[in-house]
Amino acid sequence: GDSVTQMEGPVTLSEEAFLTINCTYTATGYPSLFWYVQYPGEGLQLLLKATKADDKGSNKGFEATYRKETTSFHLEKGSVQVSDSAVYFCALSDQGSSASKIIFGSGTRLSIRP
Amino acid sequence: DTAVSQTPKYLVTQMGNDKSIKCEQNLGHDTMYWYKQDSKKFLKIMFSYNNKELIINETVPNRFSPKSPDKAHLNLHINSLELGDSAVYFCASSQWDSGANVLTFGAGSRLTVL
Repeated sequence: GDSVTQMEGPVTLSEEAFLTINCTYTATGYPSLFWYVQYPGEGLQLLLKATKADDKGSNKGFEATYRKETTSFHLEKGSVQVSDSAVYFCALSDQGSSASKIIFGSGTRLSIRP
Repeated sequence: DTAVSQTPKYLVTQMGNDKSIKCEQNLGHDTMYWYKQDSKKFLKIMFSYNNKELIINETVPNRFSPKSPDKAHLNLHINSLELGDSAVYFCASSQWDSGANVLTFGAGSRLTVL
């Protein structure tokens, strides 16, 4: 079945460092890909998405490119802030409808030191 | 106004008891979900309803019974609670947005079984 694998955390960086969180997927067909973020004590919220190969999703300085050839959707940010400390989830949606199943990776905890 | 609201936020109970968690969304979405998040932050889909019809039913013990009285509400009832049921349960709803099925999550309901 479809699955998402992301790098294990925790990831600890200093403020203004460059961030990469790796994500790869296995899917039949052409899934949509997402990054969600979960701040402490809250539910997940959508950070960015991409719906087809070579699409780049971006939001709040984060970006990720849908790479079909490497089945990857790595999350990057050029200069992280303390406020970016959270758990980040890579996810895929297995079919093109509002009733599709959305499968999450195991999450990567990110901590940013001032 | 809260888009996806779930109650209660915290629930502490004894093994063997029966409990319910309620969820309501005011976004007009057709599809709603229950996810379980364990202590390691792993997020697993449990159920999904589309316009009050069950469309996803993962391998979940039949002690868990979802009910959707209308498309704005999806409740979760759990019978004979066990220690392993302790987790955070997230309700979510989804809409089709620019070619992808995007989830909006509630804040979660933390269940502790003693």
